[in-house]
Amino acid sequence: QVQLVESGGRVVQPGRSLRLSCAASGFTFSYYGMHWVRQAPGKGLEWVASTSYDGSNKYYADSVKGRFTISRDDSKNTLYLQMDSLRAEDTALYYCAKDTETFSTLLAGYWGQGTLVTVSS
Amino acid sequence: DIQMTQSPSTLSASVGDRVTITCRASQSISSWLAWYQQKPGKAPKLLIYKASTLESGVPSRFSGSESGTEFTLTISSLQPDDFATYYCQQYNDYWTFGQGTKVEIK
Repeated sequence: QVQLVESGGRVVQPGRSLRLSCAASGFTFSYYGMHWVRQAPGKGLEWVASTSYDGSNKYYADSVKGRFTISRDDSKNTLYLQMDSLRAEDTALYYCAKDTETFSTLLAGYWGQGTLVTVSS
Repeated sequence: DIQMTQSPSTLSASVGDRVTITCRASQSISSWLAWYQQKPGKAPKLLIYKASTLESGVPSRFSGSESGTEFTLTISSLQPDDFATYYCQQYNDYWTFGQGTKVEIK
């Protein structure tokens, strides 16, 4: 069955960088757009970034544009989120999610369990 | 940017109640509206997409409707498993989530 396992979250100082990974299995990874969504502690959901199935199109929320980079390695069935110039307000549980349809970058149909990023000095 | 205004923020209800949650978009999003359910410590789960299409495996007591830029999630008869937080999301122009509605036991 579909599995998405996020990793890489930890405590990091403001201004530093961090790379999150999302290992996918149970589906043909290269056929699906993928997404990152975050949730600050006790708060709602905030979309972060999305990539098309082939990586040719990438989309970012204004709050992370220019600081975060989404990428994928289809040979490893893995999605990444490179996070630079981290701020306290980036503290959140980061979810990776698989699109609902093949060759689409539309909607999150299945989510992983998340990895926690804490930005603090 | 499209804003999504969801109400109420909290709803107290009993098992068997009919429950309605509303989401209003700041501009037209056609029918590009989804509803998610999230339980504490768990990832969100897709319930409804395209405003009224039930995701596979979701009980039929859940339904979605739309009227212009106002969207509604209805649970026809609340079950114990339904106590959770619900989010709407527009996907017409990037993504924006509503603030969430916590459905708690009355």
